[in-house]
Amino acid sequence: DTAVSQTPKYLVTQMGNDKSIKCEQNLGHDTMYWYKQDSKKFLKIMFSYNNKELIINETVPNRFSPKSPDKAHLNLHINSLELGDSAVYFCASSQAPGGSVYEQYFGPGTRLTVT
Amino acid sequence: AQSVTQLGSHVSVSEGALVLLRCNYSSSVPPYLFWYVQYPNQGLQLLLKYTSAATLVKGINGFEAEFKKSETSFHLTKPSAHMSDAAEYFCAVSESGGSQGNLIFGKGTKLSVKP
Repeated sequence: DTAVSQTPKYLVTQMGNDKSIKCEQNLGHDTMYWYKQDSKKFLKIMFSYNNKELIINETVPNRFSPKSPDKAHLNLHINSLELGDSAVYFCASSQAPGGSVYEQYFGPGTRLTVT
Repeated sequence: AQSVTQLGSHVSVSEGALVLLRCNYSSSVPPYLFWYVQYPNQGLQLLLKYTSAATLVKGINGFEAEFKKSETSFHLTKPSAHMSDAAEYFCAVSESGGSQGNLIFGKGTKLSVKP
């Protein structure tokens, strides 16, 4: 039973399109995250939600909009895709927000390629 | 501000040799420290974490790490490398009590294991 799942695993699209990535966790966690991993494997947090409320919103273009319909889901919608958006996007969840002993559980990632 | 430095973007060892992956952190408050492993085309998996209970932390797959406050280090070791250990390893820090609690990742160290 997958703890944190993401769909799709691969996403190839053209510049200017709008796309969404879905994330679901079945761990009963209160906090969910979106990370971006660039081509050099550097991981950077984008957003964090706790109990469906946004608690971290790093400097990310407003073309990126997270949506949390419930505690178990955190989706990422991207408008007007650009070449620089090509990356692997990871969803994660934890029992409580960062700054605690609770580790984060990561999904398998979504490899986004913008052509 | 908290930060993590991983010395060596690529480490290569022979099978059966000692694995040592270095991590130094910067934090103004007692930190929580984590090591994650990422196998090719997969998400991140927690290896171990330091939560101030003990300075020597044992994790999965025979890995361990020692927290040294005086050196601000949390190096990851394994006595004998196995081919299956080849992966990318990430050290991460979270400040205890942080209101938003970003998990800050190092840039990763790619471990190669030679037969």
